[in-house]
Amino acid sequence: DTEVTQTPKHLVMGMTNKKSLKCEQHMGHRAMYWYKQKAKKPPELMFVYSYEKLSINESVPSRFSPECPNSSLLNLHLHALQPEDSALYLCASNPRFSNYGYTFGSGTRLTVV
Amino acid sequence: QQQVKQSPQSLIVQKGGISIINCAYENTAFDYFPWYQQFPGKGPALLIAIRPDVSEKKEGRFTISFNKSAKQFSLHIMDSQPGDSATYFCAAPPNAGKSTFGDGTTLTVKP
Repeated sequence: DTEVTQTPKHLVMGMTNKKSLKCEQHMGHRAMYWYKQKAKKPPELMFVYSYEKLSINESVPSRFSPECPNSSLLNLHLHALQPEDSALYLCASNPRFSNYGYTFGSGTRLTVV
Repeated sequence: QQQVKQSPQSLIVQKGGISIINCAYENTAFDYFPWYQQFPGKGPALLIAIRPDVSEKKEGRFTISFNKSAKQFSLHIMDSQPGDSATYFCAAPPNAGKSTFGDGTTLTVKP
C-alpha cells in the first residue's frame, strides 16, 4: 500500500459547524503533515507530526486542531471556520521527519459558507 | 522569506517539444532537490529528485539538471505530451524539516 487516503474528498460546512478531516497511511511512515493549498498557489505547511507527536505548528489559528491517534492516522478538527479558510487540505507522509519523498493524498476540498 | 524562486509562472509548449522549468535557491546547505507534479483536483506527486553530488538525473522523459555554482536546478520534459499538462513545483529542503514549495509553473502542452 503506497497511498495516503484522505476523507472526505469534498466538504461544505457552515461557520458554526464542527467537522473533521481524516488522513490514513499504511506505509509505516512516521512523519505526517497537514498542508493547506489555495487555488493557483503552492501548498503551505500547517502542522507536522513526528512519531505521533506534534513537532511543528506553523502559527495556525486554533480553529484548526490536529490530532494523531496512532502512527497511521491523522485528523484535522475544524470549528468555527471562516470563508477564507476554504481551500484544498492536503495530508502528506514520509518515512521520517525530513524533506525527502513526501507522499501526498488527493486532498479534501473544503468550502466554508 | 522564499527559499526557492521558480520560473516561469506558466509555460505553453507544443506536443513533442521540450519544457524547461527553473528553480533558484539561496541556501548552499540544501542537499535534496525534488520536483512535484500536480494535476487539478489531486495532491502533488513526487516526480523526480536529485542530490547535489550529481549534475543530472534522468527518469524517462524527465531530467533534472543541477548547477551548483549558479544555485539552480531545472526540470526538463522531453517530447512533451498533453498528459504532462499540470502544475509543477520545486521544493526546498527542510529548514528543520519544513519543506517550502516554489510558486509553481502551470504547463500546458498543446496537441
